[in-house]
Amino acid sequence: DQQVKQNSPSLSVQEGRISILNCDYTNSMFDYFLWYKKYPAEGPTFLISISSIKDKNEDGRFTVFLNKSAKHLSLHIVPSQPGDSAVYFCAANRDAGGTSYGKLTFGQGTILTVHP
Amino acid sequence: DTAVSQTPKYLVTQMGNDKSIKCEQNLGHDTMYWYKQDSKKFLKIMFSYNNKELIINETVPNRFSPKSPDKAHLNLHINSLELGDSAVYFCASSEGWVTSTDTQYFGPGTRLTVL
Repeated sequence: DQQVKQNSPSLSVQEGRISILNCDYTNSMFDYFLWYKKYPAEGPTFLISISSIKDKNEDGRFTVFLNKSAKHLSLHIVPSQPGDSAVYFCAANRDAGGTSYGKLTFGQGTILTVHP
Repeated sequence: DTAVSQTPKYLVTQMGNDKSIKCEQNLGHDTMYWYKQDSKKFLKIMFSYNNKELIINETVPNRFSPKSPDKAHLNLHINSLELGDSAVYFCASSEGWVTSTDTQYFGPGTRLTVL
């Protein structure tokens, strides 16, 4: 029972264009969502997050959009750069009034390749 | 200055053996975690410790036993290794554990292969 899914195993884009990575979830109790980035032979690193009280959060070239009714979130990278090539994981958490215990539920990741 | 480190990076062993993976964080965090990345690439939480106390214990076989000698270390001991234990194991840490907004910092992972 995978509650967070990233249905696109890979995405290839040209440098300078927009990258859009998608993530779907099934648990309506999730109220905090994160994106992590992972390079080969390294652990995931935190990229950006969004609380369910918002529908958009922006940090530089990275923007996360949340559509609660569709249980869908997406990460937009504009403009994409070759250094963005990595595996991107979305994750979700249930804050439950501040007692989430840090229990993140991850998707299976999408490999992004940005071509020069 | 590695924030979260794991040893070893690679571990190849035979079925039935007992092995340990060590994790250390120098961030001064109170909470540490173990995650398993399975063959389908999902990262799944196994355990979480806060100040040496077990907080999260997911449905993990009791062959897996975490040990936290102090809040900077969380080791994972696995008894009677099975083929299905082959995976990449990630250690992580965060400042707290109560709210969902504490960023988790991950180690580089340990690739365990059971033959």
